[in-house]
Amino acid sequence: EAGVAQSPRYKIIEKRQSVAFWCNPISGHATLYWYQQILGQGPKLLIQFQNNGVVDDSQLPKDRFSAERLKGVDSTLKIQPAKLEDSAVYLCASSLGGVSSGRAVNQQFFGPGTRLTVL
Amino acid sequence: DQQVKQNSPSLSVQEGRISILNCDYTNSMFDYFLWYKKYPAEGPTFLISISSIKDKNEDGRFTVFLNKSAKHLSLHIVPSQPGDSAVYFCAASPYNNNDMRFGAGTRLTVKP
Repeated sequence: EAGVAQSPRYKIIEKRQSVAFWCNPISGHATLYWYQQILGQGPKLLIQFQNNGVVDDSQLPKDRFSAERLKGVDSTLKIQPAKLEDSAVYLCASSLGGVSSGRAVNQQFFGPGTRLTVL
Repeated sequence: DQQVKQNSPSLSVQEGRISILNCDYTNSMFDYFLWYKKYPAEGPTFLISISSIKDKNEDGRFTVFLNKSAKHLSLHIVPSQPGDSAVYFCAASPYNNNDMRFGAGTRLTVKP
């Protein structure tokens, strides 16, 4: 079974530029998550989709970050404009079920991440 | 606000000995706890979990203990192997799993 795919793996941009990350979840997984992991910290949830609807985006800085999941499969996360403090690894994860589907189906599988450096 | 804390950034143990990684949490609404393992340049992978209705869960060399009154959990690895060298993240979520919070991680090094 193929895992969660993310691209690009690395990205270097200057502040105030825009950047986009792409995620392809495991086939059949209804729920998709985007996390931000700053160096020395644990992953922080930015947004959660179930199919193509947003379940939770309470920690997404909406003035500069946006995300979409077209057709309930692939997802893109965009930062516009980027700030120095956005330098981090952006992780995408997916799980089989939704909120009420039980613990086993909510186990999250993570992609390798995209390391963003903002200069 | 750090609702999940891993106070030891690193731990070094000898091969064959026990590794004990600790995690504390503050939110009494958390009822499901997980440990993830992360190798460099890879995403975290699920290792073991425990529900708040249990105080111990075992899977091979890995055992997680939960002390609800102390809001503390620990991961025991026995015996430790060099391949266990990685960063271990503790995570916790409330019943609906919408908001999983991670600790900052502990880097485990197992020396041959």
